Formats: sequence, C-alpha cells, structure tokens
Amino acid sequence: ETGVTQTPRHLVMGMTNKKSLKCEQHLGHNAMYWYKQSAKKPLELMFVYNFKEQTENNSVPSRFSPECPNSSHLFLHLHTLQPEDSALYLCASSQDKGGQETQYFGPGTRLLVL
Amino acid sequence: GQNIDQPTEMTATEGAIVQINCTYQTSGFNGLFWYQQHAGEAPTFLSYNVLDGLEEKGRFSSFLSRSKGYSYLLLKELQMKDSASYLCAVRDSNYQLIWGAGTKLIIKP
Repeated sequence: ETGVTQTPRHLVMGMTNKKSLKCEQHLGHNAMYWYKQSAKKPLELMFVYNFKEQTENNSVPSRFSPECPNSSHLFLHLHTLQPEDSALYLCASSQDKGGQETQYFGPGTRLLVL
Repeated sequence: GQNIDQPTEMTATEGAIVQINCTYQTSGFNGLFWYQQHAGEAPTFLSYNVLDGLEEKGRFSSFLSRSKGYSYLLLKELQMKDSASYLCAVRDSNYQLIWGAGTKLIIKP
C-alpha cells in the first residue's frame, strides 16, 4: 500500500537541530493530518489541513511548524525539540465528505530526540 | 472530558475467536472506527459503524450499541498475522476523531 508515503522513516536528532518530516498522498484527497503516537497512549491529533488551509492546531508547541504547499504534500518542520517529543509521527489523508470520511495513514516517522 | 476505553493487551490462540471491547464517552457521536496497526506500520482501516448492529466483513465483525456507548471487534479463525494493535476511534459532534490507546493482540500457536 503506497497511498500515503512518509520520509524519513527514522530520524535521530539533537535538541538544537532543525529537521523536516515529509508526507505525500497519492489518493487525490483534500485533507491531511499530522498525528503523534506515543507508546500506550491514544493518537494525538496535531494539525489538520483542509484544501491547504490549516483548520486545526491542537495546542501544539511552536517548535512544531506545519506546512502544506498543496493538497498532496504536507511537511512538519522541527526545531529545538525536547526528549519528550520522541514518538512516532503519523501522517494521514482523507477525502472530506462532511465528516464521513475514512483516514488513510502513512507508515510514520520514528523520531528520537537526544 | 472525552474518553475511549479498551483493554491494553489480550492473548488468544490461533484458530480461536476473540472479542475486543471499546467503550466511549464523547460529546456527540458521528461514527466509530476500528483500525489495525502492525508493529512499525501504518494503522489500516478495518470497519466503520454509525448505526446499531453488527457489520460483518470476512473474518472480522464490528458491533455498535450507541445507547450503551459500546462497540466490539470480533475476530474469527485467528491467524498469526492477526497479531497487532487494534485501535478504536469515535467521531464526536464536531467531527473530531477521539482515539483509544489501542489493544495489543497476541496470537499464540
């Protein structure tokens, strides 16, 4: 299944580094999402983009900065992260049909902050 | 607050049947999803329930009771490849998805 791809798959960074996560969807969807998944915790929705416009920002620290240049691509820019930011970052996409859509996920980026 | 409860871990035997429960307290209800996630992989969609009753899809079935705030995922004829985490998620009145922490299912030979 290659509907939603994410790069890199694994990332180790120091607290002073700047890096970016990339997500691309090949499903023709118009909504894209960033989630954080920590061990034994529910998925945490971070950002939602609908038709390239950010519609959700769930109190995410400013050290996470999303960018959605078009409906197929989504980035998450990272800077001055903390060790507690280590997690699996999942991208998802859906076709917005007034709330009845199913989200399709990418394989995630496993992030370790040292 | 909004809450989704599901068991942390379950163990079952190959060839058997297992039922994974999910209870929810949310502000409104606009559907319930089940996803499967193998270790190190993306969650993949299994089922969607918005009306009460049982939805069957091959070896997997999902049940919903809106009055009880309850759903279960039933897996029949278990195979080793069914070892995975199963995530329950509810769409609330704002069409936000509220996620459970997932149930890790271990299948033994």
